[in-house]
Amino acid sequence: AQKVTQAQTEISVVEKEDVTLDCVYETRDTTYYLFWYKQPPSGELVFLIRRNSFDEQNEISGRYSWNFQKSTSSFNFTITASQVVDSAVYFCALSAINDYKLSFGAGTTVTVRA
Amino acid sequence: GAVVSQHPSRVICKSGTSVKIECRSLDFQATTMFWYRQFPKQSLMLMATSNEGSKATYEQGVEKDKFLINHASLTLSTLTVTSAHPEDSSFYICSGRGPGTDTQYFGPGTRLTVL
Repeated sequence: AQKVTQAQTEISVVEKEDVTLDCVYETRDTTYYLFWYKQPPSGELVFLIRRNSFDEQNEISGRYSWNFQKSTSSFNFTITASQVVDSAVYFCALSAINDYKLSFGAGTTVTVRA
Repeated sequence: GAVVSQHPSRVICKSGTSVKIECRSLDFQATTMFWYRQFPKQSLMLMATSNEGSKATYEQGVEKDKFLINHASLTLSTLTVTSAHPEDSSFYICSGRGPGTDTQYFGPGTRLTVL
């Protein structure tokens, strides 16, 4: 069985602060994918990143960065210098390779105040 | 990125009626499409997986006779909520996965309200 835990329900920051979202997962699969999606108030899920379990390199994309630690089963997401437009619900998700079914975490609501 | 559309974006219906929701992949062929439902302030729960030309595979606890899924082409899947009841009110989201990719791209969702 797969399980994704996002312990932080809500995070509120002031613009320009950094914010880190935690994601811890459980799986019996030896190979798997991890994802982050953003859901703004409009409701549409926006794909942010996919990471293979055999690639532990951290990744940076603009103000976004991801830290994958297989040893602790964590895939954390950091937004640097947050902006009001970053306000959204962020979901971490997991799927087995070749299965494609996504198991989502509960989501973390990020509110960035001007 | 790949674009998925859903229609309608919102629908209000009376209890006992059926509602059809369309999901289209606009710029790619979706080998597999997925249907999720999301209750307010909750996560997405997978309802079913459908491959083009095949019967959908439903998750445990999802009534296949109530939630009819048709994936007639590589760009269109439909979800029909039959004999809708107020407890079926939810946000329904579809996603598509193209050949050779392991990433799902999501539609904008359909908010169903059953009175």
